[in-house]
Amino acid sequence: GNSVTQMEGPVTLSEEAFLTINCTYTATGYPSLFWYVQYPGEGLQLLLKATKADDKGSNKGFEATYRKETTSFHLEKGSVQVSDSAVYFCALSGLGGGADGLTFGKGTHLIIQP
Amino acid sequence: DSGVTQTPKHLITATGQRVTLRCSPRSGDLSVYWYQQSLDQGLQFLIQYYNGEERAKGNILERFSAQQFPDLHSELNLSSLELGDSALYFCASSTRGVQGGYTFGSGTRLTVV
Repeated sequence: GNSVTQMEGPVTLSEEAFLTINCTYTATGYPSLFWYVQYPGEGLQLLLKATKADDKGSNKGFEATYRKETTSFHLEKGSVQVSDSAVYFCALSGLGGGADGLTFGKGTHLIIQP
Repeated sequence: DSGVTQTPKHLITATGQRVTLRCSPRSGDLSVYWYQQSLDQGLQFLIQYYNGEERAKGNILERFSAQQFPDLHSELNLSSLELGDSALYFCASSTRGVQGGYTFGSGTRLTVV
């Protein structure tokens, strides 16, 4: 079946540091890939997406490139802010077995210190 | 406001009881998905409905059931509740396919005591 693997957290960085959160996936076919962000006490919000190989999704200074050869979709940001502290989820379209829906990784808790 | 409305936001109930969680999808979205989020299991897909019909089932217990009504709102029914059912329950909606992603509601936090 489909699966998503993310780096374990928490990841703690200082403000203005460079961020990378690794995400690799296993899927049949050609899924779309997503990053969602969850702030404390809130639901998940779509951060960015890429629908085919070599596409780059970007939003709010975050970027991720769909790498089919390495089955990866790593999230990056050049200079993080305290307000970026949240839990980040990598996801892919498809639940496996042809079922519609999104398969999520376990999430990476990011903590940015001033 | 994401456009997906979940009620109630918080629910505290005793073991053995039954509760109903409600979700109104974003206007125009025909698909509704239910997820359970817990610290140890992460986000677990429970069930999907599309335009009133069950489309896919995930790790949903037999004690749990759901339905989608003609006005497209959905209800998740949890019965014979156990302490381990305490979690955040999210509803998400999408248009026909998920290539564009989901829109999530803010969730219902269920505490079973």
